[in-house]
Amino acid sequence: NAGVTQTPKFRVLKTGQSMTLLCAQDMNHEYMYWYRQDPGMGLRLIHYSVGEGTTAKGEVPDGYNVSRLKKQNFLLGLESAAPSQTSVYFCASSYEASPTNQPQHFGDGTRLSIL
Amino acid sequence: GEDVEQSLFLSVREGDSSVINCTYTDSSSTYLYWYKQEPGAGLQLLTYIFSNMDMKQDQRLTVLLNKKDKHLSLRIADTQTGDSAIYFCADSDSWGKLQFGAGTQVVVTP
Repeated sequence: NAGVTQTPKFRVLKTGQSMTLLCAQDMNHEYMYWYRQDPGMGLRLIHYSVGEGTTAKGEVPDGYNVSRLKKQNFLLGLESAAPSQTSVYFCASSYEASPTNQPQHFGDGTRLSIL
Repeated sequence: GEDVEQSLFLSVREGDSSVINCTYTDSSSTYLYWYKQEPGAGLQLLTYIFSNMDMKQDQRLTVLLNKKDKHLSLRIADTQTGDSAIYFCADSDSWGKLQFGAGTQVVVTP
């Protein structure tokens, strides 16, 4: 199915390792978002992008970097993973900020554990 | 920062109505949303309401918005066992950035 695809679905890292999470969408969406979900909490915004080549910080950006070199891809990087970054990461995309045309589509999530 | 708060747990009998409540603080919120999350799954958008509306109905779902009190509710009519899940309230700003509550665990009993 078309939509938002997150890669990988699961990953276990050791403290200090680096990795990149990939979010890909095939809906020609301008806006893309990375959220994290921790137990007992709602999703919190890490970084977002309002178009190719643009990125901006969200609520919890520390320890993460992002890039949007191609419109369809939004990459989330952990340069030096820490146990506090153990979480489920969700990517979302939308055509515009308002949901009236099309609301945000969410990926299925990436479960990341840092030992 | 701005907050979105909701009760943590709701137990309801099958066939009854469920009401999930949410409060938010950001008076500039443009849209308010209800999402459903089943165990191990992603988020499913149930419905949303524009901030200048006070009610929206969509089949079994009714959303009420009291903008003065910054209170949002979701009513599920004829609750079924398949409605057992975590329900998240969220608001958005003009950039479409979502701010979520902690979620309400809804348990439907036979």
